[in-house]
Amino acid sequence: DAGITQSPRYKITETGRQVTLMCHQTWSHSYMFWYRQDLGHGLRLIYYSAAADITDKGEVPDGYVVSRSKTENFPLTLESATRSQTSVYFCASSLLSTALISDTQYFGPGTRLTVL
Amino acid sequence: AQSVAQPEDQVNVAEGNPLTVKCTYSVSGNPYLFWYVQYPNRGLQFLLKYITGDNLVKGSYGFEAEFNKSQTSFHLKKPSALVSDSALYFCAVRDISDSGAGSYQLTFGKGTKLSVIP
Repeated sequence: DAGITQSPRYKITETGRQVTLMCHQTWSHSYMFWYRQDLGHGLRLIYYSAAADITDKGEVPDGYVVSRSKTENFPLTLESATRSQTSVYFCASSLLSTALISDTQYFGPGTRLTVL
Repeated sequence: AQSVAQPEDQVNVAEGNPLTVKCTYSVSGNPYLFWYVQYPNRGLQFLLKYITGDNLVKGSYGFEAEFNKSQTSFHLKKPSALVSDSALYFCAVRDISDSGAGSYQLTFGKGTKLSVIP
């Protein structure tokens, strides 16, 4: 049972380069989320997706692009990386039922991204 | 708008003593409340949640949390701390009364580092 995985786990890149972080979940959860974790800020939502081909902005979406062509994958792309995007990125998924009961978010192990 | 405050950046407690990690929240409607734990170089792990019903919620690893609507608090507690409980703890809230597009978003606090001293 793989659950939710992220790749790569560590990435170093340079300013201006495009970077894609991958997220894959095996639970068929409908909702998926991308967060960034920075000291002093906790976790902040970048983008989320309610289903395949449905995405929406979170609190800090600028500089990021997402897509969701398949339910199980939710890649996050930094189109032109900046130093301020150095962070730890977490993907999460959730089975949000109409009864709003099973809405716990389950997190991947994270990707530590450094932009030089 | 919803928000969460964890007033203590760090909590130190001796092994065997009771521990409390504080959390207060603000929502316009009714809250869903969550506690997550993060061990070094790991993702967040779900501990417990409050949706409705009994104000005392029991979760994983012997943790529990008490929902207090009048004080808008959801403090995490454990009767006897273990060294292995040392980690970063996050409180999170979602306003279940919000039917808008962002209603499925969780808002996290900044985290509290718990250190249990042997």
